[in-house]
Amino acid sequence: EDQVTQSPEALRLQEGESSSLNCSYTVSGLRGLFWYRQDPGKGPEFLFTLYSAGEEKEKERLKATLTKKESFLHITAPKPEDSATYLCAVQEYSGYALNFGKGTSLLVTP
Amino acid sequence: DTGVSQDPRHKITKRGQNVTFRCDPISEHNRLYWYRQTLGQGPEFLTYFQNEAQLEKSRLLSDRFSAERPKGSFSTLEIQRTEQGDSAMYLCASSLAAVNQPQHFGDGTRLSIL
Repeated sequence: EDQVTQSPEALRLQEGESSSLNCSYTVSGLRGLFWYRQDPGKGPEFLFTLYSAGEEKEKERLKATLTKKESFLHITAPKPEDSATYLCAVQEYSGYALNFGKGTSLLVTP
Repeated sequence: DTGVSQDPRHKITKRGQNVTFRCDPISEHNRLYWYRQTLGQGPEFLTYFQNEAQLEKSRLLSDRFSAERPKGSFSTLEIQRTEQGDSAMYLCASSLAAVNQPQHFGDGTRLSIL
């Protein structure tokens, strides 16, 4: 059973067309939820950490939110350079491993 | 740039050969992690070190895999008797040893088994 499920698997947006990516998770005790961006052939690049329900973090056109069962990554007025795979990961109190979802592949066209 | 450095970036080898990868973490980070990523999947945790101690291992880390961090600085991951299924991107990450510190990843070593 997957602990972390991301949807949609792929998303195509026009430049300026805002949308949200979803990450639903099932853990016994959440230490933290992490969002990463990954470009082809590169390692994941850290974006945000969220610790508790109701928390929000923002960076440029990205805003991450957290509830007890899911997290959303909102992308406002995206640009082509926002095209990448966005990965969500959870860390439980039982350890320090990150458990990743499969990611959402985002393509923003001009 | 003082990010996580991995070497080599690409490795092609024949089935049955042994391979070794190296990871140099961010200098002040005392936690170091290894992950494996296959196409279309998120990274999967393999193992992690705090300083030189290996504290957690995944079920994915079969007895053909061994990782070391001899002086609490760089780390090596060795795969013995490679198999086709070992073809993947091997990612290293590092973090500070404080609660909720993010893991910062290198750009990985891509392993291809012929």
